[in-house]
Amino acid sequence: QKEVEQNSGPLSVPEGAIASLNCTYSDRVSQSFFWYRQYSGKSPELIMSIYSNGDKEDGRFTAQLNKASQYVSLLIRDSQPSDSATYLCAVEVGGYQKVTFGTGTKLQVIP
Amino acid sequence: GAGVSQSPRYKVTKRGQDVALRCDPISGHVSLYWYRQALGQGPEFLTYFNYEAQQDKSGLPNDRFSAERPEGSISTLTIQRTEQRDSAMYRCASSEEGHLRTDTQYFGPGTRLTVL
Repeated sequence: QKEVEQNSGPLSVPEGAIASLNCTYSDRVSQSFFWYRQYSGKSPELIMSIYSNGDKEDGRFTAQLNKASQYVSLLIRDSQPSDSATYLCAVEVGGYQKVTFGTGTKLQVIP
Repeated sequence: GAGVSQSPRYKVTKRGQDVALRCDPISGHVSLYWYRQALGQGPEFLTYFNYEAQQDKSGLPNDRFSAERPEGSISTLTIQRTEQRDSAMYRCASSEEGHLRTDTQYFGPGTRLTVL
């Protein structure tokens, strides 16, 4: 089992819809979880981090964490074509200063 | 302000040659990370430093790979006797204090390595 798993997509949503991106992880002791956005040909950039169970909202983005089920999700409300990118889930591994990334989910927002 | 810079941006080398990839982190950033990213994959952790100390090198694939950060600023990732399977994008990231809960990792533009 991979440490961090994501559906590679592509996930296609119409403009204005809610995009839902999911991620599962295998290390039960992980405490920190991150979502990065990576545009084609560019570097990853951090968009959200979450550490406690529940929801965390930042603008159109909501991160959700369920440690018991070992999954993290990212909701993007009112999706825009500019949101089209690959979204990488990253998990702090083993309580150290080390992060493991998933393979990423490609999101396409259709105008 | 200036972000993380990496050089060269592209490197083409022949199998068996040694290569050195450079990372210049954001000024004052304590932590520096090296990742390798294959096409269609997420970044794969290689190693990281706090100041000049290499804290974790468990992600380095084998002993042909090494990294240093002698003065706690610029870092060099060296690959000896390159092989075709080493071809990938090598990314560097830095963070201010190294505490993932309060810090952000800022990634550089990467070095695209191609081994012929």
